[in-house]
Amino acid sequence: DIQMTQSPSSVSASVGDRVTITCRASQGISTWLAWYQQKPGEAPKVLLYSASSLQSGVPSRFSGSGSGTDFTLTISSLQPEDFATYYCQQTNSLPVTFGPGTKVDIK
Amino acid sequence: EVQLVESGGGLIQPGGSLRLSCAASGFTVSNNYMSWVRQAPGKGLEWVSSIYNTGDTHYADSVKGRFTISRDISNNTLYLQIDSLKVEDTAVYYCARRGDGGRAFDLWGQGTVVTVSS
Repeated sequence: DIQMTQSPSSVSASVGDRVTITCRASQGISTWLAWYQQKPGEAPKVLLYSASSLQSGVPSRFSGSGSGTDFTLTISSLQPEDFATYYCQQTNSLPVTFGPGTKVDIK
Repeated sequence: EVQLVESGGGLIQPGGSLRLSCAASGFTVSNNYMSWVRQAPGKGLEWVSSIYNTGDTHYADSVKGRFTISRDISNNTLYLQIDSLKVEDTAVYYCARRGDGGRAFDLWGQGTVVTVSS
């Protein structure tokens, strides 16, 4: 199975800050990586797919990069509605696996 | 409106069974790759099972032999039959659709809670 790790596990930030989250796969997954945002009590919501493609309707302050084993999610200017937990997911091979999550909270 | 609505969760004793349902609207379940993902209390997301549009099914090792994914074309619904429940199966269960973009899960239901306890 492909193991996904994320860093940091949590980050405290202020509105307007630039936030970067890193995701690493235990083996190469090309660009078969998605990023999700989850708020308490809600289902996850896809932000990016294929590592860097923005899902329709998602604000352009979210961006992604990477290929192979190392990926990043960047929020260019954090907004109040962005405080949430973020997960990466590999869909290169079964079983699909998620990272452990990164919680972004208010500083 | 394109949406998924889960139902069927509840409180069940260890060893019991449940069938979760995921009713789809606005698209056809049988034409899509559909999955179940669960989230234990305070924990991360765990893929459970998927069914391809071809009907092929796949399961996480942790549920293989106990869970069965299926779909009903006539009522456009995805199911997850859960047998031999264990305490560690306690979670919110989400159904999700894989979108056209990069195999990501682009549509999720609101989740249904399964609690396994004596």
